Amino acid sequence: LAKTTQPISMDSYEGQEVNITCSHNNIATNDYITWYQQFPSQGPRFIIQGYKTKVTNEVASLFIPADRKSSTLSLPRVSLSDTAVYYCLVENNKLIFGAGTRLAVHP
Amino acid sequence: DTEVTQTPKHLVMGMTNKKSLKCEQHMGHRAMYWYKQKAKKPPELMFVYSYEKLSINESVPSRFSPECPNSSLLNLHLHALQPEDSALYLCASSQVRLAGDNEQFFGPGTRLTVL
Repeated sequence: LAKTTQPISMDSYEGQEVNITCSHNNIATNDYITWYQQFPSQGPRFIIQGYKTKVTNEVASLFIPADRKSSTLSLPRVSLSDTAVYYCLVENNKLIFGAGTRLAVHP
Repeated sequence: DTEVTQTPKHLVMGMTNKKSLKCEQHMGHRAMYWYKQKAKKPPELMFVYSYEKLSINESVPSRFSPECPNSSLLNLHLHALQPEDSALYLCASSQVRLAGDNEQFFGPGTRLTVL
């Protein structure tokens, strides 16, 4: 099973770009990389998913290098409401959440 | 409707009680999941149902008993729980079971306290 490693916490300020990197050295050929966001006492919410190169949607971008052993979630111009825990998952047959990154956005 | 609903929102029960958690989705998803989440920890997968059949049981104690009566409904029956079972119980659904490019939709969870 591919294990993910993320920073435990990050701090940022409103309006800044935030990049959270996830390491997944044992990623398998069939695995996709997915990021979820979770606010306190709520269920996780899907942010973005990718297999290789770059994926962008209305809330984030996901950068995946050619070797796929890491990925970077990029949140452009964060606001206070982006304060949450962000989980990187490598999915195929099992869905295992890593420890997650607690992002705190300050005024 | 892209919502997963869970009832009740909060539940307090004694160790001798029997209670049930309910989860519902009307997105036509054929895979449904139960997770347990302790405070400041990531969600842990408990059970996976695919096409109303149990496909994954992550070695969960028998005091937790899942049930999938139909493709829209998922229950978790609780009996003789321990205080350490107190947690947020999350339900999720996806189009199919844990496929690589599959988005899971999570409900808001049921906050369970076992006294």
